[in-house]
Amino acid sequence: DVQLVESGGGLVKPGGSLTLSCVASGFIFDHYNMNWVRQAPGKGLEWVSSISGRSSYKYYADSVRGRFTISRDNAKTSLYLQMNSLRAEDTAVYYCALCSSSSVCNDDAFDSWGQGTMVTISS
Amino acid sequence: SYELTQPPSVSVSPGQTARITCSGDVLPKQYVYWYQQRPGQAPVLVIYKDSERPSGIPERFSGSSSGTTATLTISGVQPEDEADYYCQSADSSGRNVVFGGGTKLTVL
Repeated sequence: DVQLVESGGGLVKPGGSLTLSCVASGFIFDHYNMNWVRQAPGKGLEWVSSISGRSSYKYYADSVRGRFTISRDNAKTSLYLQMNSLRAEDTAVYYCALCSSSSVCNDDAFDSWGQGTMVTISS
Repeated sequence: SYELTQPPSVSVSPGQTARITCSGDVLPKQYVYWYQQRPGQAPVLVIYKDSERPSGIPERFSGSSSGTTATLTISGVQPEDEADYYCQSADSSGRNVVFGGGTKLTVL
């Protein structure tokens, strides 16, 4: 079974930085694109960023482009999100997610999610 | 960018049928996916590619899509179906994933 475990969340001051991690298991990690999706308190879901299996392609939502950097270490089956210049509006639960079954989705949706890690931006 | 529009809330009594709509100009061209999210939990995919149900999802969950509107139908609603439901689609490149604003389903 696919397992995704996020970590690295916490309380950071505006303008600060934080790196989130997601350790994956149960599938051949470098065969799959990986994603970060976030959810602000009491709000809806927002796709943040995605990265291809060999890191050839990286995509970002307009709201984070230029401030966040997605990366992965396939040897460690880990996904990362480096977040800089953090703002109050970045406060959210951050989920690691992927499409693990090509019969279900074509990297245009997410059939597997982690439990999320909370990021709070406040002075 | 594009938007997907959902009603903020839907309420039904147990055993009734709940219908949650999702509207967007991209829907005639792209698949819609539906997620259920219970409080404090990660989203769970309940419908994929407009109308398919993943294994393990009860048969009372079904989906349809026609023109610019997709519908998630829950037949014979159970108390445990009370949750937030999100529709989701992507643009033609599959790169720009967009979620609807979510619908809170209340089981009276």
